[in-house]
Amino acid sequence: DAKTTQPPSMDCAEGRAANLPCNHSTISGNEYVYWYRQIHSQGPQYIIHGLKNNETNEMASLIITEDRKSSTLILPHATLRDTAVYYCIVRVGQAGTALIFGKGTTLSVSS
Amino acid sequence: DAGITQSPRHKVTETGTPVTLRCHQTENHRYMYWYRQDPGHGLRLIHYSYGVKDTDKGEVSDGYSVSRSKTEDFLLTLESATSSQTSVYFCAISPAWDTNTGELFFGEGSRLTVL
Repeated sequence: DAKTTQPPSMDCAEGRAANLPCNHSTISGNEYVYWYRQIHSQGPQYIIHGLKNNETNEMASLIITEDRKSSTLILPHATLRDTAVYYCIVRVGQAGTALIFGKGTTLSVSS
Repeated sequence: DAGITQSPRHKVTETGTPVTLRCHQTENHRYMYWYRQDPGHGLRLIHYSYGVKDTDKGEVSDGYSVSRSKTEDFLLTLESATSSQTSVYFCAISPAWDTNTGELFFGEGSRLTVL
C-alpha cells in the first residue's frame, strides 16, 4: 500500500472548519483513501473514504485532487469532541485488506 | 456499535509468562485483525484472519501467534511475554468487501503490562 504524509499536529477554533491535508503521491489506481480518527485511548473510528470523487457524509467531507496525489478531510464545524488523532490511509480495494496506519495528525480544537 | 468484546481489558504479567488475549465478535464478520499501539509508533498490524483457520502475518508478528477456530473468536497469544510487548492491543473486524465499504470496526483495546 502507498504511504501517506500528514502534518503531525494542527489547531482549530471551535465552530470553524478543520481542513486536514494528506499527501499520497504514490497512490495506485486501485487504492482508496480512507480517514479514521482515534479519540483519546479509544479504538479508531471510521470517518469516510473515496476513490477519486469527492465524498460527503454526516461527519465530514473528503476532497481528492484530480491527480489523486493528495486529499483533504474537512470537518465543517469543529467541536471540542473532534479533538483526536486523524489517520489518512490508502488501501487496495480488496476484501480483507488490512489498514496500515501511520502516525496521523493530532487535531486540537479549542474554544 | 459493532459487537466486539476484548478480554481482558487490563492485564499485568511477568516476563516469560504466556498471555492470551481474546477478541469476540457477534457480527459474523469474516475478517479479524490484531493491532498494537505504542507511543511514537501509532497502530501496527500484528496478525489478521480471513476466515476460520486462515491467518496471516502483519508488520510486527514476531513473538505473537494467533488462532481462529470459530468465526466469532480470534485469539492472540504471547508464548513468553517480554517487556517490549507492553502495549495496548486492539482487535478489529470487517465483513466481506462486497457487503461493506471496507470499513474496519475496532474494539475498545486491551492494555497489557509486562514487568
